[in-house]
Amino acid sequence: AQTVTQSQPEMSVQEAETVTLSCTYDTSESDYYLFWYKQPPSRQMILVIRQEAYKQQNATENRFSVNFQKAAKSFSLKISDSQLGDAAMYFCACDSGNTGKLIFGQGTTLQVKP
Amino acid sequence: KAGVTQTPRYLIKTRGQQVTLSCSPISGHRSVSWYQQTPGQGLQFLFEYFSETQRNKGNFPGRFSGRQFSNSRSEMNVSTLELGDSALYLCASSTGNEAFFGQGTRLTVV
Repeated sequence: AQTVTQSQPEMSVQEAETVTLSCTYDTSESDYYLFWYKQPPSRQMILVIRQEAYKQQNATENRFSVNFQKAAKSFSLKISDSQLGDAAMYFCACDSGNTGKLIFGQGTTLQVKP
Repeated sequence: KAGVTQTPRYLIKTRGQQVTLSCSPISGHRSVSWYQQTPGQGLQFLFEYFSETQRNKGNFPGRFSGRQFSNSRSEMNVSTLELGDSALYLCASSTGNEAFFGQGTRLTVV
């Protein structure tokens, strides 16, 4: 069975600084996708970044980048130049075998201090 | 392009009643998935529909059911509501390997 684990329930960062959120996963599939979603207080789930497992290059989206370590089954999210609007709950998720079924981690609440 | 629309946004029901939630996906998306979010259990997969067929099902009791129509709109039904069914129900639509979520339906069972 797939599992996704986020070991940091809460993190805080100073505005303009960099923060890294951790995620580990487990799947027996060779073809899978990994995601980071942001859920602000409005509860709208917003896709932050996506990584295809077959791609060795780490995905990057503006201030957001990932460190994908396939052998270690690790998928961390780095947020650079943190902004107040980045404050939210962040979820790591895995879709194995393109099933349309996302398995989510428990989430990490990120606080951004001015 | 309109996003994923879920209706209603908020709902209060009594134990034992049943409820139907609706999800209209992004135009052109044929896959619709449903998730339950609670503080205790986090985000859990309910089921996924593609072209009116249920392709995947999570580990929920048979009181939770769903369907998808020919226009890809999906409904989720929960019968014989229990207090523990109080949750945020999220719908997501996708056309490939990227899911887009609606704003959710907040269900409160009293």
